[in-house]
Amino acid sequence: QKEVEQDPGPLSVPEGAIVSLNCTYSNSAFQYFMWYRQYSRKGPELLMYTYSSGNKEDGRFTAQVDKSSKYISLFIRDSQPSDSATYLCAMHLSGGYNKLIFGAGTRLAVHP
Amino acid sequence: GEEVAQTPKHLVRGEGQKAKLYCAPIKGHSYVFWYQQVLKNEFKFLISFQNENVFDETGMPKERFSAKCLPNSPCSLEIQATKLEDSAVYFCASSQSTGAGNQPQHFGDGTRLSIL
Repeated sequence: QKEVEQDPGPLSVPEGAIVSLNCTYSNSAFQYFMWYRQYSRKGPELLMYTYSSGNKEDGRFTAQVDKSSKYISLFIRDSQPSDSATYLCAMHLSGGYNKLIFGAGTRLAVHP
Repeated sequence: GEEVAQTPKHLVRGEGQKAKLYCAPIKGHSYVFWYQQVLKNEFKFLISFQNENVFDETGMPKERFSAKCLPNSPCSLEIQATKLEDSAVYFCASSQSTGAGNQPQHFGDGTRLSIL
């Protein structure tokens, strides 16, 4: 069993839809949770970085962490075609020097 | 610089040849990480450095892979006697070390290694 599970999709939505992306994990010691966006032939771009449980909002993006359920989510409001990319969840133990454990990534396509 | 810079963007080698990849972390970042991205977006951690010191090498296939981060030089990842299975995109990331708490990792655009 993988430490981090993420549905690879693909997920196809119309422009303007609310997108929900999720990951589950098995290691309760994970403390820091991230969402990265990766366009084709590019590196992962950090979208959200959260510590422990709770919500964090940044523009059209909202990240949620529920440590009791070992479940994290990313919501994208008013989705745009430019949001079409692969979304990777990642997490690590306490200490920013620790390696990231990634989910498999979810491919998202937003069509006009 | 303000971005993690990886060179070359694409590297082609015949099986059995050596491959060497380079990474310049963001200026002021103390930690450097190497990841291997294989098919279907699976990222695998290889090694991390704190400045020029190896911090965590639990992901490194030690027989053929080696890495260095020397002062005033880009970090490097070298693969000896490459195999077909080494074909992947290799990403470098860096993060800042601060007393104020943890800092996220920022990634370069990767080096695509193709072994023929």
